Formats: sequence, structure tokens, C-alpha cells
Amino acid sequence: EAQVTQNPRYLITVTGKKLTVTCSQNMNHEYMSWYRQDPGLGLRQIYYSMNVEVTDKGDVPEGYKVSRKEKRNFPLILESPSPNQTSLYFCASSFSHLRGRESSYFGPGTRLTVT
Amino acid sequence: QKEVEQNSGPLSVPEGAIASLNCTYSDRGSQSFFWYRQYSGKSPELIMSIYSNGDKEDGRFTAQLNKASQYVSLLIRDSQPSDSATYLCAVSLNTGGFKTIFGAGTRLFVKA
Repeated sequence: EAQVTQNPRYLITVTGKKLTVTCSQNMNHEYMSWYRQDPGLGLRQIYYSMNVEVTDKGDVPEGYKVSRKEKRNFPLILESPSPNQTSLYFCASSFSHLRGRESSYFGPGTRLTVT
Repeated sequence: QKEVEQNSGPLSVPEGAIASLNCTYSDRGSQSFFWYRQYSGKSPELIMSIYSNGDKEDGRFTAQLNKASQYVSLLIRDSQPSDSATYLCAVSLNTGGFKTIFGAGTRLFVKA
């Protein structure tokens, strides 16, 4: 079954305590991405990766880090979380069939609260 | 600032009617256009992608793209109550969805 998994699904933490949200896909997709979703603002891209060791900033990268050491994994790291990073986070992976049909899957989401 | 604009709705249509959802984008370099459906409390799921001007049909869904007007739309024929969800328009500069900008979404209600 095609799947994007994220862990943890829910996390409450305190300001400044480093955390990592893991993301893994089983479809051998080259492209992976992290988004945050906030009421009224929609989905905003944090970082994306086009392949192993290739990452780039999205629209809201400040305060986040990513790495892509293996094709299947794309963890999101918050070195020093702050309350404004309280949000719902989604990991996604996709593959483009040369402009034919796109395959795109989102993970189940991680609800993060920073107090 | 690259933007993708959608009417937030809610858009309410009766069962069996055609629902029309609209989206405009600001970056003329955009190459790939997507419609996602998101049920409350769930993840977005891709329902349509379109890359060229014109219409693209998939079952009850038709995506329409007009690059000159920087406009993309989604038509849902024979709307069903199960189509009630938030529809997200997304625009990317590349195929494969590299840097991607999402609209805030349009809430659709289909009344039985």
C-alpha cells in the first residue's frame, strides 16, 4: 500500500527543546516536501527535496531544518521551537509521470503545540 | 510575493448540480497546477493535475487552465454530499511539484 508515515502524530513541547518529526515514504518517490497548515493561511511549504542530498527552501523555512540522507526519509528538525511554530505539519511525496499524471501523497499530519 | 488566490466560500450547491471552484495565480512562470481535496481533520489528497491550456477531464471532475488569464478552475459534475470538503488549488514552477504555493482553499457544501 502506498504510504507516507509521520511520527509523532501529536506533540506538545516547550520553547527551546529540540525536536524531530520523522517522515517516511514507501513509493520510491524522488520528491518530498514539508508543509505547515494554519487556519486562514492554508498550506505553506517549509522545505522540499528533489532527491537524496538535494534540498531547498520553501516559503517559510525560518526556524526549521531538514535532511535527505536516504530516498525514503525526510525528517523535519526544529532546533529551538517557539510558540509561533505551533501548527499542523504535513509531509508529502510525489512523482511526476512526465506531465502525464502526477502521483502525490500526503502523510497523516503531526499536530505540534509549543508552549 | 507569489500568490494563489481562492474564494474561501463556503460554496453551497444542491446535490446533482455542478460545483465550480476558481483559482488565480500571480506567477506567470508557473507550469504545474493541482487541485487537492481535504476533508475536515484529514490530509489533502490529489484529485487533478493540469499542465496545458484547456480542459482535462477525469470522471466527474474537469480541470480548466487558462495561462493567459492566470486562471485555473475545477468543475465537479453531479455533485454528491460526499464531495463536501475544502478544495485546495496549488501551483508549482516545475513539473514534479518542486516549489509549490497553495491557495487557502474553498469550502464546498453539497446539500442533499
